[in-house]
Amino acid sequence: SQQGEEDPQALSIQEGENATMNCSYKTSINNLQWYRQNSGRGLVHLILIRSNEREKHSGRLRVTLDTSKKSSSLLITASRAADTASYFCATDVSGNTPLVFGKGTRLSVIA
Amino acid sequence: NAGVTQTPKFQVLKTGQSMTLQCAQDMNHEYMSWYRQDPGMGLRLIHYSVGAGITDQGEVPNGYNVSRSTTEDFPLRLLSAAPSQTSVYFCASRAWERKNTEAFFGQGTRLTVV
Repeated sequence: SQQGEEDPQALSIQEGENATMNCSYKTSINNLQWYRQNSGRGLVHLILIRSNEREKHSGRLRVTLDTSKKSSSLLITASRAADTASYFCATDVSGNTPLVFGKGTRLSVIA
Repeated sequence: NAGVTQTPKFQVLKTGQSMTLQCAQDMNHEYMSWYRQDPGMGLRLIHYSVGAGITDQGEVPNGYNVSRSTTEDFPLRLLSAAPSQTSVYFCASRAWERKNTEAFFGQGTRLTVV
């Protein structure tokens, strides 16, 4: 069964606005990863955060992890039309176990 | 450096036919896996392998077979296709012995079973 659940399922914003997506998971994890999927394409890794980290940045991306609440959030600042895609969180229980993916958030950024 | 290569990109099968989805990676990754993606279901793990000669089942293994004879290749076999296997299939690889690594995905195979 799905380990992670993203929220919201779909998000539509204007270009320049910030987009926030949330992921909740069920069991203890070693790391949590976020991936992006453009329509009809394979997934591309965005960022990995370990269980002993609380926040991580990469360019316009900011990821937080709250292990006490078993949740993570992905913030995309100053969104662009090119950020339109589906975003998935994936959890890794021990550091080298198969990734378990959530159902994803569909982000639409309107120019 | 090609990364993860999947073939074919599209396939239509008749119920009961068999076929093999090919996956190859050139990053010398120990770990390879197959996922299927259905609308509203996200990605579900079918089978995975942590090295040549080692395979294991994921969440939805029924109707699929795999083998891993080389580090580079991890084919997925459908022995008798069913309409329920209509889906988009993704192959992914990761470094394994070094922990906390990202997965690299192929571009997917869109399979329709009629």
